Amino acid sequence: KAGVTQTPRYLIKTRGQQVTLSCSPISGHRSVSWYQQTPGQGLQFLFEYFSETQRNKGNFPGRFSGRQFSNSRSEMNVSTLELGDSALYLCASSLGGLVKNNEQFFGPGTRLTVL
Amino acid sequence: DQQVKQNSPSLSVQEGRISILNCDYTNSMFDYFLWYKKYPAEGPTFLISISSIKDKNEDGRFTVFLNKSAKHLSLHIVPSQPGDSAVYFCAASGAGANSKLTFGKGITLSVRP
Repeated sequence: KAGVTQTPRYLIKTRGQQVTLSCSPISGHRSVSWYQQTPGQGLQFLFEYFSETQRNKGNFPGRFSGRQFSNSRSEMNVSTLELGDSALYLCASSLGGLVKNNEQFFGPGTRLTVL
Repeated sequence: DQQVKQNSPSLSVQEGRISILNCDYTNSMFDYFLWYKKYPAEGPTFLISISSIKDKNEDGRFTVFLNKSAKHLSLHIVPSQPGDSAVYFCAASGAGANSKLTFGKGITLSVRP
């Protein structure tokens, strides 16, 4: 069974640009969550999508948005990039989503560098 | 406001000895706790979890202890192996508005051969 895949693995952008990251969950998983990992802050929850609907949201500005498609694939978009957005962005999938305390499986992440 | 705290950023232990990783939380609505392990260039992998109705859960060399009154949990690794060297994240969740996973900042464990 294929794991969670994220594309691209590495990305370099400049301030003010926008970026779209993609996540393909494990087959059959309907929940996708996104996290930002930075050295000083650890893993911070961005949002969770379940059956194409955003079900949970963390404390990030509106520049961070996401969506989920009917095949459960998810995309995350960050507009008007800032230097502080440089981080590892992790996607995790699970069967039933966070409300059922299902185990989450993480992808390898996308390393975003903003110059 | 850090609701899940891993106050020690790093821990170094000798191979074969016990590793004890600590985690504290402040939100009394958390009722499910997890530990994840992360190697460089990989995503975190689930290690072990515990529900608030228990005070101990064991899986092979890994045991998690939960002290609800102290809002404290710990991960014990016995015996520690060099392959255990990684970053360990403690995470917690609850019901409803607390259902998202809240992670600590992680602790880097180094097991010396």
